[in-house]
Amino acid sequence: KAGVTQTPRYLIKTRGQQVTLSCSPISGHRSVSWYQQTPGQGLQFLFEYFSETQRNKGNFPGRFSGRQFSNSRSEMNVSTLELGDSALYLCASSSLEGNEQFFGPGTRLTVL
Amino acid sequence: QQQVKQSPQSLIVQKGGISIINCAYENTAFDYFPWYQQFPGKGPALLIAIRPDVSEKKEGRFTISFNKSAKQFSLHIMDSQPGDSATYFCAASISDYKLSFGAGTTVTVRA
Repeated sequence: KAGVTQTPRYLIKTRGQQVTLSCSPISGHRSVSWYQQTPGQGLQFLFEYFSETQRNKGNFPGRFSGRQFSNSRSEMNVSTLELGDSALYLCASSSLEGNEQFFGPGTRLTVL
Repeated sequence: QQQVKQSPQSLIVQKGGISIINCAYENTAFDYFPWYQQFPGKGPALLIAIRPDVSEKKEGRFTISFNKSAKQFSLHIMDSQPGDSATYFCAASISDYKLSFGAGTTVTVRA
């Protein structure tokens, strides 16, 4: 099976702009989670979607949002970008059978 | 508030040696404890995972030891190889797919 894919892999934006990141889960996986990874805060949970519904949400401001489509693909959006939003954004997918989460390569976002 | 505390921050081990990474948690509701390996420029890769009803799990050179009463679990990498040089993360969740990660341990294996 193909793994989790994320696009784009790299992104450079300026403060105040908004950005949309995309994630395609492993075929057959219906749960998609998003994480932010930074050197200072480590890996932090953003939100999780299952069957187009957000089931879990982390402690991030409302500028961070997401959605999931009927084919399980997911997007996350960050509005009004701040310098501190520079990070590696990781997507992970899970099947119904277990908690195992499989991560994609991430999207490296740089905010200037 | 970090729910999973990981140590050490980094370690250096000789080829063939044993690497040991420790994690501690507070939330007794956690019921799933995975370890991830991450290479630079890559996403974390699931290495091995354990549930609280098991005290030890071994897969190849990787072993998880779990102490439910102490709320601690550890990863042992036996016969460490240069290709094992990576950052390792412990994590925990309550069956809801929301993983809480430790801060990570950078392992360097010297040839």
